[in-house]
Amino acid sequence: QVTLRESGPGMLQPSKTLSLTCSFSGFSLSTSGMVVSWIRQPSGKSLEWLAAIDWDGDKYYNPSLKSRLTVSKDTSNTQVFLKITSVDIADTATYYCARSLPGYYYVMDAWGQGASVTVSS
Amino acid sequence: DIQMTQSPSSLPASLGERVTISCRASQGISNNLNWYQQKPDGTIKPLIYYTSNLQSGVPSRFSGSGSGTDYSLTISRLEPEDFAMYYCQQDASFPNTFGAGTKLELK
Repeated sequence: QVTLRESGPGMLQPSKTLSLTCSFSGFSLSTSGMVVSWIRQPSGKSLEWLAAIDWDGDKYYNPSLKSRLTVSKDTSNTQVFLKITSVDIADTATYYCARSLPGYYYVMDAWGQGASVTVSS
Repeated sequence: DIQMTQSPSSLPASLGERVTISCRASQGISNNLNWYQQKPDGTIKPLIYYTSNLQSGVPSRFSGSGSGTDYSLTISRLEPEDFAMYYCQQDASFPNTFGAGTKLELK
């Protein structure tokens, strides 16, 4: 059974760095072609793809946020991380991680429950 | 970025009814169109990939079609659990982008 679970600080102040963790089981990111993405959703709004990392460690970023994003994975290939620098109120959202199978880079076939993040002073 | 326009934004419907949600891309996306369902608790379920392929476990009352810039999701007979938000997503062009969503609600 494939499961993904996001975790984060819940709340942080403007200008800080947001650190999120995606812990997953039921698959390994070391499997050729596997990809894990981060997607976010402000309350009442649509989904925005942020970043992805693949089995080979290649990283992909949404150009609109690229300068502020860093995606990485752990050596055991069971966790993926996302850092967003210089957060502001507009970064308040639910953050999801999702998996894509080999050959389907951005077709997300399994999603986490999401982690709510509020940016507030 | 490719813009995805969904219509309608809200769709009141009754149990057992057949409904269709539309998604239009700002340029051709060569059938690289996926659909997702989101429940009020935030849970996101993949439904369809590459225009018309059902994800594992998705009931056959869901179907997708389209080509070029115009795509649609059809639910043949609405069940209580189908009332939710629906999003289309294109992954033909980087970065992948989502539509604004369609809220399927009980009439």
